[in-house]
Amino acid sequence: SAVISQKPSRDICQRGTSLTIQCQVDSQVTMMFWYRQQPGQSLTLIATANQGSEATYESGFVIDKFPISRPNLTFSTLTVSNMSPEDSSIYLCSVEGVSSSYNEQFFGPGTRLTVL
Amino acid sequence: AQRVTQPEKLLSVFKGAPVELKCNYSYSGSPELFWYVQYSRQRLQLLLRHISRESIKGFTADLNKGETSFHLKKPFAQEEDSAMYYCALRHGSARQLTFGSGTQLTVLP
Repeated sequence: SAVISQKPSRDICQRGTSLTIQCQVDSQVTMMFWYRQQPGQSLTLIATANQGSEATYESGFVIDKFPISRPNLTFSTLTVSNMSPEDSSIYLCSVEGVSSSYNEQFFGPGTRLTVL
Repeated sequence: AQRVTQPEKLLSVFKGAPVELKCNYSYSGSPELFWYVQYSRQRLQLLLRHISRESIKGFTADLNKGETSFHLKKPFAQEEDSAMYYCALRHGSARQLTFGSGTQLTVLP
């Protein structure tokens, strides 16, 4: 299994500012993902964080708004840029690991972001 | 494109009653289906996966390709089963998951 920590756990930010969320894993992992969960909604994949290359973004998400870094196999950051109230969400980091001989996705505790 | 549908946003049952959480998917290939659970104040965690055909905490789910369903069932619900349940699909060579909208299960005493 993989243990994931995220910082900060929550934040309240002003419109127009940016916030960087950190994701740390206790073991080296190949696949790392960032999801968003808007209030009352399900999880939506933002991007796959690739080590050593640019992240792969899903439709509707762009690098200018959500720049991602992946400097090594245990760490990634997601920045929410030029925030608006619509960015208020829980942001989740997840990684793929092996459990009971199967690939499994493990999730971090999430970062609860409120934009005023 | 792949899609996961959970028609019930909220579901309440009494303790000891059977429970079924519905999940339907659309995907043209052979999907991998999962159920994830999020208990109050805890992180999202895997409950079970269809390929292992296991029973976890009394829950089972059978993949029905004809009906494109992967319903989660438990014959006797317990109060500690109260949680948010998400059905998820992994498709083809992609490693990321597509989630349903979730069902909040409440088991009443």
